[in-house]
Amino acid sequence: QKEVEQNSGPLSVPEGAIASLNCTYSDRVSQSFFWYRQYSGKSPELIMSIYSNGDKEDGRFTAQLNKASQYVSLLIRDSQPSDSATYLCAVKGGSNDYKLSFGAGTTVTVRA
Amino acid sequence: DTAVSQTPKYLVTQMGNDKSIKCEQNLGHDTMYWYKQDSKKFLKIMFSYNNKELIINETVPNRFSPKSPDKAHLNLHINPLELGDSAVYFCASSQVLGAGDTQYFGPGTRLTVL
Repeated sequence: QKEVEQNSGPLSVPEGAIASLNCTYSDRVSQSFFWYRQYSGKSPELIMSIYSNGDKEDGRFTAQLNKASQYVSLLIRDSQPSDSATYLCAVKGGSNDYKLSFGAGTTVTVRA
Repeated sequence: DTAVSQTPKYLVTQMGNDKSIKCEQNLGHDTMYWYKQDSKKFLKIMFSYNNKELIINETVPNRFSPKSPDKAHLNLHINPLELGDSAVYFCASSQVLGAGDTQYFGPGTRLTVL
């Protein structure tokens, strides 16, 4: 069973600041990494996926992956009140592992 | 058009009862999943079907029985219900089975067992 740990929240940032979310995983052979956003009372929605070491940028979101350190992070630049949500890190193992393991989530609040 | 739909959205029932939650996806995906999200927001996989075949069956009490009549539908039957089953249950689907596929979640079913 993969363990996925996220930094405990809640994380409160002022509008316009950078929110930094961290995630570590225990299974060294994990290959696929995802960040989901979940608004209160809603379902998770995928915002980023990353498979290779390094950075991947999509708009105001940047995912960073370091497989040697078993670490994946998400940066939200120019944070907006609409970014206030719980962010779930999810990890999938090797090619024969079909399970997506989720972390407990980090709740982000962006103060206007 | 709703991609992944679940019914009912809310379900309040008594302990010991027998209930089902239904899920349908119109994305043409091959793989469907059931997740349970508890009060601490921890989202955990329960079952997965690929083309109607059970491929993931986590350590879940056998009171929970999934059924996939076709690859667009995955239902979850619970009998008998217990207090600890109160949670939000999410259905999800993905195009293919394997690493890297994006999972799309339904709106969730909030189950309350009294």
